[in-house]
Amino acid sequence: DAKTTQPTSMDCAEGRAANLPCNHSTISGNEYVYWYRQIHSQGPQYIIHGLKNNETNEMASLIITEDRKSSTLILPHATLRDTAVYYCIVRVAGLYNFNKFYFGSGTKLNVKP
Amino acid sequence: DGGITQSPKYLFRKEGQNVTLSCEQNLNHDAMYWYRQDPGQGLRLIYYSQIVNDFQKGDIAEGYSVSREKKESFPLTVTSAQKNPTAFYLCASSIGGTSYEQYFGPGTRLTVT
Repeated sequence: DAKTTQPTSMDCAEGRAANLPCNHSTISGNEYVYWYRQIHSQGPQYIIHGLKNNETNEMASLIITEDRKSSTLILPHATLRDTAVYYCIVRVAGLYNFNKFYFGSGTKLNVKP
Repeated sequence: DGGITQSPKYLFRKEGQNVTLSCEQNLNHDAMYWYRQDPGQGLRLIYYSQIVNDFQKGDIAEGYSVSREKKESFPLTVTSAQKNPTAFYLCASSIGGTSYEQYFGPGTRLTVT
């Protein structure tokens, strides 16, 4: 699986958009980008995933560059409850590929009042 | 309510003792996982099971054992052979092994002294 690189930590003001970057320069054509987050002392929570097109759901938007070497998770209006560690994961997905996720150190997002 | 339960939330044991952590899910998911998390680190996969009566070693299986006799249950035993057992243990499940979304339990914090 392709490796990912994320900043160790980021700050964001409450109510503003939080943009979390992720580099995955060795990503293969059949590898998806997944985002999870982990609020302190809880289990991780799935946020969103995508292959090449930008994706949006009720939690966030995922922007993947045209060359797919990087992506950005956008939380449009960050709240204090969005303070968490955000994991960017790259993984092959498919009918016969077991989804063994690698959760690295992630980015600690601090949302401040 | 459907979900994953792990008990207890905190567990204390003396060195040299085996200890079993419980994980139960009522989501009717086929796949289940065990992860370990050390302070400030990401998650590491210990064992996973794609179906009843079948399980596979993850990245750090040494010193651990599991069983999958029932679809809803995937207990993890931390044996005395595990050199550094003190950690936060997370159980997860997914519809199938290829599913993009893993659902996590609240975790068990194990302290061995």
